[in-house]
Amino acid sequence: AQKVTQAQTEISVVEKEDVTLDCVYETRDTTYYLFWYKQPPSGELVFLIRRNSFDEQNEISGRYSWNFQKSTSSFNFTITASQVVDSAVYFCALSERRGRRALTFGSGTRLQVQP
Amino acid sequence: NAGVTQTPKFRVLKTGQSMTLLCAQDMNHEYMYWYRQDPGMGLRLIHYSVGEGTTAKGEVPDGYNVSRLKKQNFLLGLESAAPSQTSVYFCASSPGQRIDEQYFGPGTRLTVT
Repeated sequence: AQKVTQAQTEISVVEKEDVTLDCVYETRDTTYYLFWYKQPPSGELVFLIRRNSFDEQNEISGRYSWNFQKSTSSFNFTITASQVVDSAVYFCALSERRGRRALTFGSGTRLQVQP
Repeated sequence: NAGVTQTPKFRVLKTGQSMTLLCAQDMNHEYMYWYRQDPGMGLRLIHYSVGEGTTAKGEVPDGYNVSRLKKQNFLLGLESAAPSQTSVYFCASSPGQRIDEQYFGPGTRLTVT
């Protein structure tokens, strides 16, 4: 069975601080895909990134960066110089390669960025 | 393109009432999903479909039924609503040919009293 753990329930930072959201996953598959989604206060789910298990390169997109470490089964997300607009719940998710390809979500981390 | 739409956006039901949630997508996606989101638990898969005319159970299917008579629509039914079904329901779709992002609808907030 697959499992995604986001141990940080809530994080509060002051604007311009850097913050890292942790994600640890479990799967028996050798090929899998990892995702991060953002859920702002308005409630919709916004896709941020997809990473497959063969690609361990870190990725940077503006103020966002992701660190994928297969050896520790982690896929952490860092926001540099946080802004108030980053306040949201962030979900890490894992997808199966075959079959239904549904997402297994972590419980989410609520990030509050104070001005 | 409207993407994935869900109807209704909000609904209050009494225990024992029935209702159907409609999900529609205009991206010609093969795969469609229904998830529920409860506080502190992330999203959990209720039912899914890998193509028109097919449906299958996810992790938490009890109390729900689904149908996919047309490729673009995926319906979620509650035959006899219970307070435990108070939740936010998200529909999602994906192309299916490869592992792509899932495109989510805006959600339906359902309260069962």
